[in-house]
Amino acid sequence: SQQGEEDPQALSIQEGENATMNCSYKTSINNLQWYRQNSGRGLVHLILIRSNEREKHSGRLRVTLDTSKKSSSLLITASRAADTASYFCATDGMTTDSWGKFQFGAGTQVVVTP
Amino acid sequence: DTAVSQTPKYLVTQMGNDKSIKCEQNLGHDTMYWYKQDSKKFLKIMFSYNNKELIINETVPNRFSPKSPDKAHLNLHINSLELGDSAVYFCASSQGAAAEAFFGQGTRLTVV
Repeated sequence: SQQGEEDPQALSIQEGENATMNCSYKTSINNLQWYRQNSGRGLVHLILIRSNEREKHSGRLRVTLDTSKKSSSLLITASRAADTASYFCATDGMTTDSWGKFQFGAGTQVVVTP
Repeated sequence: DTAVSQTPKYLVTQMGNDKSIKCEQNLGHDTMYWYKQDSKKFLKIMFSYNNKELIINETVPNRFSPKSPDKAHLNLHINSLELGDSAVYFCASSQGAAAEAFFGQGTRLTVV
């Protein structure tokens, strides 16, 4: 089963608005990562947040992590048409058999219209 | 310079054929992966190699055989292709198994 599950599945916003998507996971993690995938392309790493961190920023991106709720959120501020993509969270478990085994969700498809 | 490159980008082949996908990374990473992305965009890990040694094999049919001739390369050979193998296959690499991964552009495999 998928470890990370993104919500919503799809999000449509206008340029300049903020976009928020959430990721929930099931088991304890070492870290959680967010990736972006443009149509027909590979995944691009956005942010890695460790289990002992609560918030991280990178440019217009803000990621939060709540390990008690087993959830993370990705906020894109002042969105642009170029932010149109699918966004995935990936988790890396703490047990030896899950070490290095990034588990991805199905992604949130974000469409930003001009 | 492409960090993680995989070839071919598209592969259309008939059922029963054997095919290979090649992957190379020039980042000096010690860990490489193969992922499969299905039509619903679920991305599932297939294999992971660390310093040329297999560390993850996620119950993939043994028709799929990865080969890592050196740290910079991880190829995927698929025997007796089936319709259900149609998907996009991504190669990725990272420095250490729990670090940021760099993905290739994907190989879209279509089995007809």
